[in-house]
Formats: sequence, structure tokens, C-alpha cells
Amino acid sequence: EVQLVESGGGLKQSGGSLRLSCAASGFTFSRFEMNWVRQAPGKGLEWISYISTSGSTIYYADSVKGRFTISRDNAKNSLYLQMNSLRVEDTAVYFCARGDTSMAGDYWGQGTLVTVSS
Amino acid sequence: YELTQPPSVSVSPGQTASITCSGDKLGGKHACWYQQKPGQSPVLVIYQENKRPSGIPERFSGSNSGNTATLTISGTQAMDEADYYCQAWDSTTVIFGGGTKLSVL
Repeated sequence: EVQLVESGGGLKQSGGSLRLSCAASGFTFSRFEMNWVRQAPGKGLEWISYISTSGSTIYYADSVKGRFTISRDNAKNSLYLQMNSLRVEDTAVYFCARGDTSMAGDYWGQGTLVTVSS
Repeated sequence: YELTQPPSVSVSPGQTASITCSGDKLGGKHACWYQQKPGQSPVLVIYQENKRPSGIPERFSGSNSGNTATLTISGTQAMDEADYYCQAWDSTTVIFGGGTKLSVL
């Protein structure tokens, strides 16, 4: 069974940093591209970042470019999102998703809540 | 690049619901659809225009041509009440539509 479990969310002050993790199981992690997607309270889905199987290709949404860094450790079956210079508008549930170049995710984690206070 | 969806669609149980997603030359891209119920993670219901993942009922179907992708739910059931999001890739960016709240009344 494919499972994606996010962790690392919490309450941070504006300007702070946070590192999210996504533990993958039930599939060969190294063979799949991955995405981070977030959802602000009561709002729609917003794509954040993409990483290829090897990590050699990475894309970011303009809203987080230069502040967030996506990475992966295929040996540990894990995906990461380093979030720096946090803003109040980064408050959201963050989902990791297994995807490819035709879709953001065929499997999604349960999400982890990040709250940024001023 | 933007994908535009109607904010809400209403349907009676047993009837057919259609949710549209509009974007410039969207028919030239792969479009997919997600269902999200309150407090839950999104679930992929249609990918590559008209393919259903394992476990998704046959009443869900999709099409994509010109500037519009359409999600069709035939014989809509109460359990289909949810938010639906279309999604496509534009170059190096994943784009989501704003979402459509489907009400089954």
C-alpha cells in the first residue's frame, strides 16, 4: 500500500524557518517524481515545488522561489521541504504527492499544518 | 497561465454533473481532476484527460479539447458531493483551477 506521511509542521513566527519531511512507503520511491502542494485555510490547492526522481530537476512556484528548497533522499525514501523567511501567507496545510509530468499526484499524504504568526 | 472553473455546480441525485475547466489551448496539455472532501486529502479521479485510477467508479469520466476540459459524473450520488479541482502542467509549473464545489441536492 502506497503511503506518504508528512511531518514537521507547526507554529512559527514570521521570518522563521521550518523543515517538512515526507516519508514514503509501499512503492519504489526512487522511481517517482514528487511534488509539494499547499492549501491555505478555506482556499484552493496551490502547487509549491517539483523534484525529479534523481533530484537533478527542480521547479518552484514564484510565490516560494528563493525561500523554499525541495530535496529528496532516495536511500531514506524521504522528501523534504526547507522553508525559510516564512510569511503569514505561507500558513497552510502542506501535502506531499507522488506525481509525474502529467499530474501533480496520484497519491497524497494527509498533510501537515504550518501556521506562521506575525 | 490560468485554469478557470465555476465556483459551484448543483445536481440532483442520479443526474449527470458536468464541471468545466478553461485555459488557453488546454486541449494541448494533459488535464487531470481531483476530488477533495472536507478535512481530507485530494484524490485523483481522472488523469490524462479520461483515464480513471484504480478504485475510481466508472461514473467518473473526462474529456479535454480546445480550451476546455470537462469532468462528467454520471448517475451522481450523495457521496460525490465535494470540491473538484482541475490541474495541468504549463511548461515548468503545475497549475490548479480554483476549484468547484459540487452540491448534490
